[in-house]
Amino acid sequence: QVLLVESGGGVVQPGRSLRLSCAASGFIFSDFPMHWVRQAPGKGLDWVGVVSADGNIKYYGDSVKGRFTISRDNSKKTLYLQMNSLRGEDTAVYHCVSALTYAVYFDNWGQGTLVTVSS
Amino acid sequence: DIQMTQSPSSVSASIGDRVTLTCRASQDINRWLAWFQQKPGKAPKLLIYAASNLQSGVPSRFSGSGSGTDFTLTISSLQPEDFATYYCQQADSFPRTFGQGTKVEIK
Repeated sequence: QVLLVESGGGVVQPGRSLRLSCAASGFIFSDFPMHWVRQAPGKGLDWVGVVSADGNIKYYGDSVKGRFTISRDNSKKTLYLQMNSLRGEDTAVYHCVSALTYAVYFDNWGQGTLVTVSS
Repeated sequence: DIQMTQSPSSVSASIGDRVTLTCRASQDINRWLAWFQQKPGKAPKLLIYAASNLQSGVPSRFSGSGSGTDFTLTISSLQPEDFATYYCQQADSFPRTFGQGTKVEIK
């Protein structure tokens, strides 16, 4: 079955950087777009961004545009989220999400990794 | 950006009740809509895609309808495991956007 496992979360100071990883298995990783979705404590779901199957096309949410970069290594079946210039409002659980259904719908979610931005 | 608005923000219901949740898009999204269920401390789970298609493994008491700007998620007979928060999400364009959620609570 599809398995997505995030890692790399932790406590980081404002203005610093952090890179998250997501190891995928159970499907042909290189055939599908991949997304990041975050959820601040006690809040709703916030879409971070997407990378196309080949890694060449990326879109981002307004709140992270210019600061976050999504990339992937299809040979390693791994998705990445490089987060720069972190702010307190970036504190959230970050989920890696696959879109296998029509290559559109968020059908499998990782358990998430918590990023806390605090001095 | 497409805004998604869910109503109500919370609903209290009893086991066996029929519950209907509403989601409205700020512009026409055809049928590019998904519904998710989330329980505390867990990742969201896809229930419905393309407005009315039941995801594999999801009980048939869940159903979705609508197109354009107005959508509904119906739980025909509420079960104990259905108490959770439900989100709608548009898949028509980027950025993808979610509704603010509807919490289904025990009456």
